Amino acid sequence: EPEVTQTPSHQVTQMGQEVILRCVPISNHLYFYWYRQILGQKVEFLVSFYNNEISEKSEIFDDQFSVERPDGSNFTLKIRSTKLEDSAMYFCASLAKNIQYFGAGTRLSVL
Amino acid sequence: GDSVTQMEGPVTLSEEAFLTINCTYTATGYPSLFWYVQYPGEGLQLLLKATKADDKGSNKGFEATYRKETTSFHLEKGSVQVSDSAVYFCALTPGGGTSYGKLTFGQGTILTVHP
Repeated sequence: EPEVTQTPSHQVTQMGQEVILRCVPISNHLYFYWYRQILGQKVEFLVSFYNNEISEKSEIFDDQFSVERPDGSNFTLKIRSTKLEDSAMYFCASLAKNIQYFGAGTRLSVL
Repeated sequence: GDSVTQMEGPVTLSEEAFLTINCTYTATGYPSLFWYVQYPGEGLQLLLKATKADDKGSNKGFEATYRKETTSFHLEKGSVQVSDSAVYFCALTPGGGTSYGKLTFGQGTILTVHP
């Protein structure tokens, strides 16, 4: 069964460093999403992406964040200068038939 | 804005016990409602959904009914198994003719089932 793949499963970085979280959505899906979950808190929407542009973004998704679909298969989330409060689980999802399919997530630890 | 509230957890049950996890929502219009489940080490998986009032979603013995009058979507299972141990998330997408929008999640409920 097709699935959304996220890499790496765990990323450790120093505060102020740039990180790129990678996702391979399910082939033929057209809508893509990033969510995050800070430990002990709700899963929060970050951004949705369609037709090579952002369709919606949350207040969390400030200028430090960017998304890209560089090669038609990967979907990346970049954080330019990480902060301690960026430590969270980041989930990628893609949509088909009104259902969002999620990856297993990347745990980002900012030290 | 839209919001989802789930009952506080964690929930601990014995095998074959009855399960209810309460979920209520606040949203304008007619949202679509979902239950997602996350097993250890895995991503969120859709468990069931309902897209209009009085719809009942069901899957793997779990059920939830979209109650517009009480703005609720409570998850139930008649007899839980150890393999049901997971985190359960109630969620919605906005109404208004499109389901391509963001999911708004509840805080998640940890369920542990003992043999």
